[in-house]
Amino acid sequence: GDSVTQMEGPVTLSEEAFLTINCTYTATGYPSLFWYVQYPGEGLQLLLKATKADDKGSNKGFEATYRKETTSFHLEKGSVQVSDSAVYFCALSDPSGGSNYKLTFGKGTLLTVNP
Amino acid sequence: DTEVTQTPKHLVMGMTNKKSLKCEQHMGHRAMYWYKQKAKKPPELMFVYSYEKLSINESVPSRFSPECPNSSLLNLHLHALQPEDSALYLCASSDQRNSPLHFGNGTRLTVT
Repeated sequence: GDSVTQMEGPVTLSEEAFLTINCTYTATGYPSLFWYVQYPGEGLQLLLKATKADDKGSNKGFEATYRKETTSFHLEKGSVQVSDSAVYFCALSDPSGGSNYKLTFGKGTLLTVNP
Repeated sequence: DTEVTQTPKHLVMGMTNKKSLKCEQHMGHRAMYWYKQKAKKPPELMFVYSYEKLSINESVPSRFSPECPNSSLLNLHLHALQPEDSALYLCASSDQRNSPLHFGNGTRLTVT
């Protein structure tokens, strides 16, 4: 079945540091890939997405590139801010996996950015 | 502001109570979802409604009963819950298959 593996952290960085959160996936077909962010006390928000190989999703300074050859979708940001402190979830949607409505989530990575 | 509205934000209920969680979206999305999220874990899918019909039930215990009165509303009726059902319950919607989900901010449920 489909699966998503992401570094669990926690990750603690100083403001303006470079961020990478690794995410790799296993899927039977050609999935769409997503990063969601969950700020304390809130629901999940879509951060960025990519629907096919070599697509790059970007938003709010975050980027991730869909790499089919390495089955990866690593999240990066060049300079993090305190306000980026949150839990980040990598997820995939695989229409060939039997259900078009299921998202498969990674376990989440808690990011804390210190001033 | 989130475009998916959930009420109440917090709910404390006893094991013999009956309560309902409510979710509303006005984005015209035709798929709506209930997820359960325990602390420090990813959300777990419970139910999916597509065009107001139950499409997926992830073997959820019958003490959780979903209802979709119309395309904008989704309810989750709760009865005879257990303390282990305490969690954040998230509603989400999407406009088509494989589209990103839009989540509400959730209802924090505590069962005493």
